[in-house]
Amino acid sequence: GAVVSQHPSWVICKSGTSVKIECRSLDFQATTMFWYRQFPKQSLMLMATSNEGSKATYEQGVEKDKFLINHASLTLSTLTVTSAHPEDSSFYICSAPQPLNTEAFFGQGTRLTVV
Amino acid sequence: GENVEQHPSTLSVQEGDSAVIKCTYSDSASNYFPWYKQELGKGPQLIIDIRSNVGEKKDQRIAVTLNKTAKHFSLHITETQPEDSAVYFCAASLGGWVNQFYFGTGTSLTVIP
Repeated sequence: GAVVSQHPSWVICKSGTSVKIECRSLDFQATTMFWYRQFPKQSLMLMATSNEGSKATYEQGVEKDKFLINHASLTLSTLTVTSAHPEDSSFYICSAPQPLNTEAFFGQGTRLTVV
Repeated sequence: GENVEQHPSTLSVQEGDSAVIKCTYSDSASNYFPWYKQELGKGPQLIIDIRSNVGEKKDQRIAVTLNKTAKHFSLHITETQPEDSAVYFCAASLGGWVNQFYFGTGTSLTVIP
């Protein structure tokens, strides 16, 4: 099946710094990717929809200036957590739907810990 | 928007027994229902899915049933094995090649050897 790769798999950063997470579709082009956040023992919550060549669409309550999304190519979307705080510590997961297919493939996730 | 509810939140079964997880959805326009297995520290992996024009789908020990009228769908795992232990999420979407998934709250399944 299609592969979506996420990097890094885990990152620890100091409060106030920024962290970039990459999501790549390895064997297909993805004009749209989705970014989710998952707190421990909770479900995946959609944060934003990343659109290649245009602005991302953010879900209600998600700060667009804090969670910067860039989808500069058909195989790469990045999520940058700016001025990270401990409450931003979470598991971030991206997904990409395969063209002409209903399925969505998920990355392996990035565990962010802000200290 | 779509609201997906999932039950139970935790489930323990003896190895070899069956496990059933149930989900309900609210938007009758949803037409694609995948199930994901998530192991600790990893992203979700698709294990089976069903579309609204089908009532049941089976893949070896895993089956999914869909009742469109009642707006609920279920995951059935037979002959459970310890490696089936994980968190399972159901999801619903409107389908199409670019679509948003609405996830259930997850079920933590433990298979006791």
